[in-house]
Amino acid sequence: SQTIHQWPATLVQPVGSPLSLECTVEGTSNPNLYWYRQAAGRGLQLLFYSVGIGQISSEVPQNLSASRPQDRQFILSSKKLLLSDSGFYLCAWRTLTYEQYFGPGTRLTVT
Amino acid sequence: DAKTTQPNSMESNEEEPVHLPCNHSTISGTDYIHWYRQLPSQGPEYVIHGLTSNVNNRMASLAIAEDRKSSTLILHRATLRDAAVYYCILRTSNFGNEKLTFGTGTRLTIIP
Repeated sequence: SQTIHQWPATLVQPVGSPLSLECTVEGTSNPNLYWYRQAAGRGLQLLFYSVGIGQISSEVPQNLSASRPQDRQFILSSKKLLLSDSGFYLCAWRTLTYEQYFGPGTRLTVT
Repeated sequence: DAKTTQPNSMESNEEEPVHLPCNHSTISGTDYIHWYRQLPSQGPEYVIHGLTSNVNNRMASLAIAEDRKSSTLILHRATLRDAAVYYCILRTSNFGNEKLTFGTGTRLTIIP
């Protein structure tokens, strides 16, 4: 069966510091992968998605970037965090029938 | 993506059926109706999806109106573990369309 991992689970970072969040999927090949963010008390916002290695589509222009160096690895990065980057970051993959399955998430607090 | 409208919150008694409504009056013929739920401090969980016909799975049933302008997610026997935010989402089935637009959903409270 498929499993999706995210780390770290929680993170507290100062403003202006860099960020790297990692997501890996097991049990499937060439999955479509997604990064979402959920601000406190808000809905989910799609940030990036990837249909293959090196292929990244950005939904929201901001100081975040994403990379997909391997088939089942998806990384979310920032060079300098802003206070507004705080939130719950979720990685997901989707099946051929467009069901998305989410990881456990990373709760980021920028101080 | 076409817009959906859901009540902000609902309450239901434990062990009773729950009917969660969703209006999507601007739905197009190629839009699929997806439902997800999000338990506290967790990522969303896929529940069910359909296009025109009613759908059943182990978690829930999805009843789709004949004109497809509304749908209802049915939990047949609510438990305390069903307390969550439920999202109704339309996904356009254009090739390459990857976007699921999550709204604010319906917060379901289960009363013991």
